[in-house]
Amino acid sequence: ETGVTQTPRHLVMGMTNKKSLKCEQHLGHNAMYWYKQSAKKPLELMFVYSLEERVENNSVPSRFSPECPNSSHLFLHLHTLQPEDSALYLCASSQGVLAGGRYNEQFFGPGTRLTVL
Amino acid sequence: GQNIDQPTEMTATEGAIVQINCTYQTSGFNGLFWYQQHAGEAPTFLSYNVLDGLEEKGRFSSFLSRSKGYSYLLLKELQMKDSASYLCAVNDYKLSFGAGTTVTVRA
Repeated sequence: ETGVTQTPRHLVMGMTNKKSLKCEQHLGHNAMYWYKQSAKKPLELMFVYSLEERVENNSVPSRFSPECPNSSHLFLHLHTLQPEDSALYLCASSQGVLAGGRYNEQFFGPGTRLTVL
Repeated sequence: GQNIDQPTEMTATEGAIVQINCTYQTSGFNGLFWYQQHAGEAPTFLSYNVLDGLEEKGRFSSFLSRSKGYSYLLLKELQMKDSASYLCAVNDYKLSFGAGTTVTVRA
């Protein structure tokens, strides 16, 4: 495997379900991110982890719970979601955070297309 | 807050040139990225500008004016495979993205 991988690629869930999204990066990066992408809207940064520590949480509802067990893996645990949470969820990694230049260039995974019924 | 504006959609003919503008107002600036995203796929890196001027990479060029808070991505000799969304992102220790410009290339 190379780059950034995400599973599953597609997920349909009911509002009472609990599911998890998984992301893995094979680039040796120190930072990982979760983004939400809705149609015709900018990418919304949800969470940032640097060396397994959460450095940013952009007012995301508690029904989204991130977990970063090591610098290569990132999870997004989902529970009691709403239909408006349906979107493409992108994971990304970068060499680091809080730096200029291309140091925090984002390398994206293919995303998980989530549909909440 | 961060404010990044780019047109929603553009259409052009195969072989033509298209210029996608991006204007930004951000609290900090450490460079500007352009990404390409085909439908259902991950965004991929196209270009990076941190100093004023033009960066050329084959058929794609990107320009930056920091004093004007302005950048553009120039796509030359358009091909059908260039039909995609193009995202402008400003680097202020994290990336803030525009909503993307969907470019449709017609035969």
